[in-house]
Amino acid sequence: DTGVSQNPRHKITKRGQNVTFRCDPISEHNRLYWYRQTLGQGPEFLTYFQNEAQLEKSRLLSDRFSAERPKGSFSTLEIQRTEQGDSAMYLCASSLALGEKLFFGSGTQLSVL
Amino acid sequence: AQSVAQPEDQVNVAEGNPLTVKCTYSVSGNPYLFWYVQYPNRGLQFLLKYITGDNLVKGSYGFEAEFNKSQTSFHLKKPSALVSDSALYFCAVSGAGSYQLTFGKGTKLSVIP
Repeated sequence: DTGVSQNPRHKITKRGQNVTFRCDPISEHNRLYWYRQTLGQGPEFLTYFQNEAQLEKSRLLSDRFSAERPKGSFSTLEIQRTEQGDSAMYLCASSLALGEKLFFGSGTQLSVL
Repeated sequence: AQSVAQPEDQVNVAEGNPLTVKCTYSVSGNPYLFWYVQYPNRGLQFLLKYITGDNLVKGSYGFEAEFNKSQTSFHLKKPSALVSDSALYFCAVSGAGSYQLTFGKGTKLSVIP
């Protein structure tokens, strides 16, 4: 069990640029989640994958956000035309089944200048 | 809609004293309840969960939590606090069968030597 891995750890970008983050879940976990956390707040749910299927998306996820999980392994989260309000920690988590504990990665800290 | 309230932004306790971190929730149907801990510069770590069964749940590092259905509460407790317990604690809830885990804002626990 090597844990959930996220890359990069930090990303600084200019407003209007596109960014992509990667998450490698624990290998035997078929469920993958993306959350966003801002300072002083708890993580907010963004989206959920079971294998390669994206089964749920939060209304927080605007059209500028897209997530994929090809072949049900790693996942990417892309933000197009970034805005300063997108600055946050983006967390990835995985689990074995619904109702089971989530294993979180260390996150990608995005700063939009 | 599901929600979690952690009424205290910060809890201070002397080392060796018992500690309680409060959590109340709102969800349709039976709740799945979780506590996670976040240490500085580290990812969220699972502490314990309640799905069904005994109302007193024991978890990692000597923590326990008591599920109270009538008060819709799930307070985190530890009989004797350690300085190393100082961290940010998050309560989370999901409805049975829901993909989405909703987190509270977090409570910063400071254990004073």
